[in-house]
Amino acid sequence: EVQLLESGGGLVQPGGSLRLSCAASGFTFNNYAMTWVRQAPGKGLEWVSTITGSGDYTYFADSVKGRFTISRDNSKNTLYLQMNSLRAEDTAVYYCAKEKGYYLTSAFDIWGQGTMVTVSS
Amino acid sequence: QSALTQPASVSGSPGQSITISCTGTSSDVGGYSYVSWYQQHPGKAPKLMIYDVSNRPSGVSNRFSGSKSGNTASLTISGLQAEDEADYYCSSYTSNSLYVFGTGTKVTVL
Repeated sequence: EVQLLESGGGLVQPGGSLRLSCAASGFTFNNYAMTWVRQAPGKGLEWVSTITGSGDYTYFADSVKGRFTISRDNSKNTLYLQMNSLRAEDTAVYYCAKEKGYYLTSAFDIWGQGTMVTVSS
Repeated sequence: QSALTQPASVSGSPGQSITISCTGTSSDVGGYSYVSWYQQHPGKAPKLMIYDVSNRPSGVSNRFSGSKSGNTASLTISGLQAEDEADYYCSSYTSNSLYVFGTGTKVTVL
């Protein structure tokens, strides 16, 4: 079964750091770009970051550029999101998602269940 | 990168057809055939309903269809059913950053 399972969310103080993980199974992980999408409470979806299958290229939303880092370990079939200098506005459910095809087209066919990140003192 | 513009809400009676619009610019919706649509029920992860403007993934009902004209993409749900009540989001590839989502539309089945 194709599956994504996020972990690492929790409560963190403003200015703190957190690393999210997304464990993939059921597909050839290194063949696909992977993306993080977040959703603040009661709000819409926001694209956060994408990494290509090889890990050679990374992309970030302006709202997180310079603070967040995306990476992947293809030997462990795991995607990561390192979040530094966290702000209250980063509070959200964070989803990892798999690109449907081999190219970057914004079609995410598999999503994790999400992990909640709360930034508060 | 500003979010793509969607109506906040759309409603219809069972059996009717509704259309949700998604308006962007020539840098995103109008410039590429990479528009997707997602359905999200409360407390659940989004589900891919349409990709590459008008393609349906395997398992998605053919009551869902997508199209695009200029800078505006559309999702049509025909034969509206109670289970279609959910939030819907469009997304697009964009030359400005990489991806952008729409503001979201709440669909209500009357």
